[in-house]
Amino acid sequence: EAQVTQNPRYLITVTGKKLTVTCSQNMNHEYMSWYRQDPGLGLRQIYYSMNVEVTDKGDVPEGYKVSRKEKRNFPLILESPSPNQTSLYFCASSPSLGEQYFGPGTRLTVT
Amino acid sequence: RKEVEQDPGPFNVPEGATVAFNCTYSNSASQSFFWYRQDCRKEPKLLMSVYSSGNEDGRFTAQLNRASQYISLLIRDSKLSDSATYLCVVTPYGQNFVFGPGTRLSVLP
Repeated sequence: EAQVTQNPRYLITVTGKKLTVTCSQNMNHEYMSWYRQDPGLGLRQIYYSMNVEVTDKGDVPEGYKVSRKEKRNFPLILESPSPNQTSLYFCASSPSLGEQYFGPGTRLTVT
Repeated sequence: RKEVEQDPGPFNVPEGATVAFNCTYSNSASQSFFWYRQDCRKEPKLLMSVYSSGNEDGRFTAQLNRASQYISLLIRDSKLSDSATYLCVVTPYGQNFVFGPGTRLSVLP
């Protein structure tokens, strides 16, 4: 089944404790992206990647890192999470900027 | 001016009504256009792509006006299950996706 998977789906952590949210797609898509969604603010792009080893900042990259060492995986790293990074996170992939396929989302709470 | 703007909403309409959403984009070099649907706190899903000639899928019709830089979505005979947030998406220069803020629709019995 073609899909985008994210792990974990839910995470509660404390300020400053490094964490990684994994994202994997099995559709051989070149493009992958991370978004965060907060009430009243819509979807905001954090980072995106047009292909392996190519990543670019989105609208809200501060406090996040990404890597794209292989085509299927695009992990999101929070080196020192803070409460303002409490949000709902979505990973997405797309073949050549066509339809985007989204993962189910990761609800992160930083206390 | 934001890159992509949408009707602020929310739209509250009775079942069976026809409702139209508008979306404007600022970058005239935008190449691809989409409407996504998002249910509360779920992942967005593609509703339909928008083609230059306009396109229809059942009760849904999408139109593109490049000269005025807007796209529209028309929903006919609204169903309760159409209640969701509708997101307009464009690709400026074909390089990345830009999402609008979304318009929330509630279809009332």
